[in-house]
Amino acid sequence: QKEVEQNSGPLSVPEGAIASLNCTYSDRVSQSFFWYRQYSGKSPELIMSIYSNGDKEDGRFTAQLNKASQYVSLLIRDSQPSDSATYLCAVNNGDSNYQLIWGAGTKLIIKP
Amino acid sequence: IAGITQAPTSQILAAGRRMTLRCTQDMRHNAMYWYRQDLGLGLRLIHYSNTAGTTGKGEVPDGYSVSRANTDDFPLTLASAVPSQTSVYFCASSDNGHEQYFGPGTRLTVT
Repeated sequence: QKEVEQNSGPLSVPEGAIASLNCTYSDRVSQSFFWYRQYSGKSPELIMSIYSNGDKEDGRFTAQLNKASQYVSLLIRDSQPSDSATYLCAVNNGDSNYQLIWGAGTKLIIKP
Repeated sequence: IAGITQAPTSQILAAGRRMTLRCTQDMRHNAMYWYRQDLGLGLRLIHYSNTAGTTGKGEVPDGYSVSRANTDDFPLTLASAVPSQTSVYFCASSDNGHEQYFGPGTRLTVT
């Protein structure tokens, strides 16, 4: 059973601090990794994708990938109350590249 | 239309009734997906289609059917609804299995 593991949280972070969200995956052949943000009552929204080991930065967001450790993380700098949401990690299914394996999500709360 | 649309937005359905959830995308993506999301269980794949004319079963296909007659439309049918099918249903699409983009969802309550 291929799995993506995330801490369900909630993770509480003060406004202005760095929020760090983590994800581990079991499928060693996965090559594509995604972070989605989901506000309560809304659909998941893609915020970052990463395909190579290392860091990828986009504004206040940085995705980090370590394939050897099967670990993906998302850093949010200068956290804002509007960042409060559930963050979903997804990786491609190595047996079926058209499908993603989803984590259950981490609930992030940014406290003003 | 921009992106993915789903209809209806919400529905209350009596058990045993037949229901079709509609999904349309205008991005010309080849792959489309149906998920259900229940509290504490995350997203679960019901059915998928890698290209028009083909479909496949996901993790939780029982009680659901799909068709993919063309690139844009991917309807999900509940032949005889049961209360356990109460959920939020999301349609998504992707271009050759890359990033998936989601519709706004349909909230379904089966009574």
